[in-house]
Amino acid sequence: GAGVSQSPSNKVTEKGKDVELRCDPISGHTALYWYRQSLGQGLEFLIYFQGNSAPDKSGLPSDRFSAERTGGSVSTLTIQRTQQEDSAVYLCASSLLGGRDTQYFGPGTRLTVL
Amino acid sequence: DAKTTQPPSMDCAEGRAANLPCNHSTISGNEYVYWYRQIHSQGPQYIIHGLKNNETNEMASLIITEDRKSSTLILPHATLRDTAVYYCIIVNYGQNFVFGPGTRLSVLP
Repeated sequence: GAGVSQSPSNKVTEKGKDVELRCDPISGHTALYWYRQSLGQGLEFLIYFQGNSAPDKSGLPSDRFSAERTGGSVSTLTIQRTQQEDSAVYLCASSLLGGRDTQYFGPGTRLTVL
Repeated sequence: DAKTTQPPSMDCAEGRAANLPCNHSTISGNEYVYWYRQIHSQGPQYIIHGLKNNETNEMASLIITEDRKSSTLILPHATLRDTAVYYCIIVNYGQNFVFGPGTRLSVLP
């Protein structure tokens, strides 16, 4: 079956612009996660959805970052007024039920802020 | 706080078994041990997980010590395609997966 997909695969933007990153989870998976990975670094947790609700937003680095999920499926991560330090690979994962369930990752979106 | 300790890097000869250690001395009774790997420029890939018993699947074996304070991921016949960063993660219900720096495994020809 289809895995987690993300779009775009690459995004180059200018400092101060807003960007939207999209994640399509595996069909039927109720939990969805966003992470980011800066060059040469480990994964940093951003936000977690169970259905359309986000019980854990603790990882969002600032109020410029927001995310939503609609219909219990697709999620978008929005970064407003991008800064150069936002440059990273943004990874999305989904799992069937959340909690300890195995997370399956998408290929990521590489964001470059000039 | 990743709650795990892994060596930063390891080498393994192609065709040999790769044994990747992980220390998790503060693990609690209902926390699982998960292993993922990340090949360059790709998203992390699930490998295996376990609670108490040793586990084996088509990719690897997971050996968990009796006191559960450490574990070893075994790739029985490493290939060049197994070169990746390997992450050992301790997960409890309701917690998020916390990825530490992992072990960079280099499989050498």
